[in-house]
Amino acid sequence: NAGVTQTPKFQVLKTGQSMTLQCAQDMNHEYMSWYRQDPGMGLRLIHYSVGAGITDQGEVPNGYNVSRSTTEDFPLRLLSAAPSQTSVYFCASSPDSQGATYEQYFGPGTRLTVT
Amino acid sequence: GDSVTQMEGPVTLSEEAFLTINCTYTATGYPSLFWYVQYPGEGLQLLLKATKADDKGSNKGFEATYRKETTSFHLEKGSVQVSDSAVYFCALTTDSWGKLQFGAGTQVVVTP
Repeated sequence: NAGVTQTPKFQVLKTGQSMTLQCAQDMNHEYMSWYRQDPGMGLRLIHYSVGAGITDQGEVPNGYNVSRSTTEDFPLRLLSAAPSQTSVYFCASSPDSQGATYEQYFGPGTRLTVT
Repeated sequence: GDSVTQMEGPVTLSEEAFLTINCTYTATGYPSLFWYVQYPGEGLQLLLKATKADDKGSNKGFEATYRKETTSFHLEKGSVQVSDSAVYFCALTTDSWGKLQFGAGTQVVVTP
């Protein structure tokens, strides 16, 4: 049971490039989400999904796309990278869509630098 | 909207000292409250949680009590160890899907 895995761990992009951050979980969790972590701002929700085929926007969705074709995978796509997207990105999952009292499990993070 | 405010860090302590990290919140609904911990180079782990007023969450010697009257969820530990050095995040959710609203995080450094 690997939990929540993220790839890559580190990435450097040039402005305007696109890329996909991968996230997978093997716990059969319905709920998955993406956060970005910036100094002094905590973690902010980018997008989330309550099940395969269902996604919605979080607090800071601009410049990012997501899809959820399977329960296990929830990739985050940067369409045209900008320096403002330099951040650490965390994927999380939760065992139930009624997640208010359930623990969210976080991946180890992807550190992205956009030059 | 919902928000979480935590004391700024870094907080530097000697081993065996008492730790308090203040957390207050604003929420339109009736939130569940959490403390997450992030050790260097790792993702976040749930430390403790409380889902209703006057609940006390506890884990690994840490405690926090859900105080509805003061909208607070302060984290405490009676005797810290070097291994407690980490960033601590207070968070809440009022959403049925459990979307988390985080505070800015407080870095704690414990010296031998």
